[in-house]
Amino acid sequence: DSGVTQTPKHLITATGQRVTLRCSPRSGDLSVYWYQQSLDQGLQFLIQYYNGEERAKGNILERFSAQQFPDLHSELNLSSLELGDSALYFCASSLRVAYNSPLHFGNGTRLTVT
Amino acid sequence: QQQVKQSPQSLIVQKGGISIINCAYENTAFDYFPWYQQFPGKGPALLIAIRPDVSEKKEGRFTISFNKSAKQFSLHIMDSQPGDSATYFCAASRSGYALNFGKGTSLLVTP
Repeated sequence: DSGVTQTPKHLITATGQRVTLRCSPRSGDLSVYWYQQSLDQGLQFLIQYYNGEERAKGNILERFSAQQFPDLHSELNLSSLELGDSALYFCASSLRVAYNSPLHFGNGTRLTVT
Repeated sequence: QQQVKQSPQSLIVQKGGISIINCAYENTAFDYFPWYQQFPGKGPALLIAIRPDVSEKKEGRFTISFNKSAKQFSLHIMDSQPGDSATYFCAASRSGYALNFGKGTSLLVTP
């Protein structure tokens, strides 16, 4: 068990809807990362937060947004959902932002857009 | 674009054999190269990692070989076991920044 908790595990929704994915990092970890995993694109980095502040952005669509709260949990909001947004969404956390502070991944949220 | 290219996409190895997965990168600013292992229904988990100041790192049956001039690195799994059957991802990053992952290699070790 990595210590990173993601909820819900599964989410089925319709096109055009909005959903929120939640992540609780490992105790003491200050940095949170969101990744999208699909069969054809692999693991794609979306966004990183460190201690409540946005630190880096990857291939995150404008329809997607995220935030990290004072208690360090994070939420990823996906709006105007399209069929192509169906994927596994992973949250990862690390103690700090350094090479010797590895990422620990949760078990993901599987999003299905119908 | 894909910053880390991984091959092969899938691999079948007999029990006791050597599994080899290769990765290549372009960004010379990358200074951290981990390998992650993912089982079905689980998130990726760190297996082993290397920095470019060494050419090889070994942990048990797992070895990373790193070639800085060729911008390539590889994972060798010695004495492969059925329990090693999983998807393996190589990754690369600059220190403190998000990992850029390869597309993964699905490894099947047959009994």
